Amino acid sequence: AAGVIQSPRHLIKEKRETATLKCYPIPRHDTVYWYQQGPGQDPQFLISFYEKMQSDKGSIPDRFSAQQFSDYHSELNMSSLELGDSALYFCASSQTSGGITDTQYFGPGTRLTVL
Amino acid sequence: AQKVTQAQTEISVVEKEDVTLDCVYETRDTTYYLFWYKQPPSGELVFLIRRNSFDEQNEISGRYSWNFQKSTSSFNFTITASQVVDSAVYFCALRDQYLNNAGNMLTFGGGTRLMVKP
Repeated sequence: AAGVIQSPRHLIKEKRETATLKCYPIPRHDTVYWYQQGPGQDPQFLISFYEKMQSDKGSIPDRFSAQQFSDYHSELNMSSLELGDSALYFCASSQTSGGITDTQYFGPGTRLTVL
Repeated sequence: AQKVTQAQTEISVVEKEDVTLDCVYETRDTTYYLFWYKQPPSGELVFLIRRNSFDEQNEISGRYSWNFQKSTSSFNFTITASQVVDSAVYFCALRDQYLNNAGNMLTFGGGTRLMVKP
């Protein structure tokens, strides 16, 4: 079965640079979520999209932005990178029907290292 | 606000032992889902189980079993006859059932690191 695809899998950036993470949801999934997991921590919700509209927002810094495109893939744009942004970034997708969202399935994650 | 607590940060067992991972949650929602995810050393998050708040039946899947007790707000996970491949961080998570303005993101517990030694 097709899974959530994330690219790149690893990314190394310098402070103050920008980064773009991409997420391709499972086919027919219309809801996408972004989570950030710092070392030794649990995943923290950043932002989600349903049918290309932002559906919820968590602890996402103002330096970050995201969007979901017409083909349902999503991109997380991160600017003015800081050392503290080094983390594993997960994308998850699910299907929403009748106002009920199904299980979130996670991609393999993008490991971002900021030097 | 939703909260998930996994009091055990780290558990170490010897292969073939049974082990139970505890999860306690708090929510004001009347309808919600509970989940367990596994994060092996390779880093991905693997879905294990989902439980609807209306369904308190225990579930068994092979060596895995789950005990959901709404009265104590607990959703514990037991691995029977543990194996080295079970070594991972296990996360319990909570989510509102409906897509609404309150959000449907997952609230994770802090995770329990399980080490199974041969």
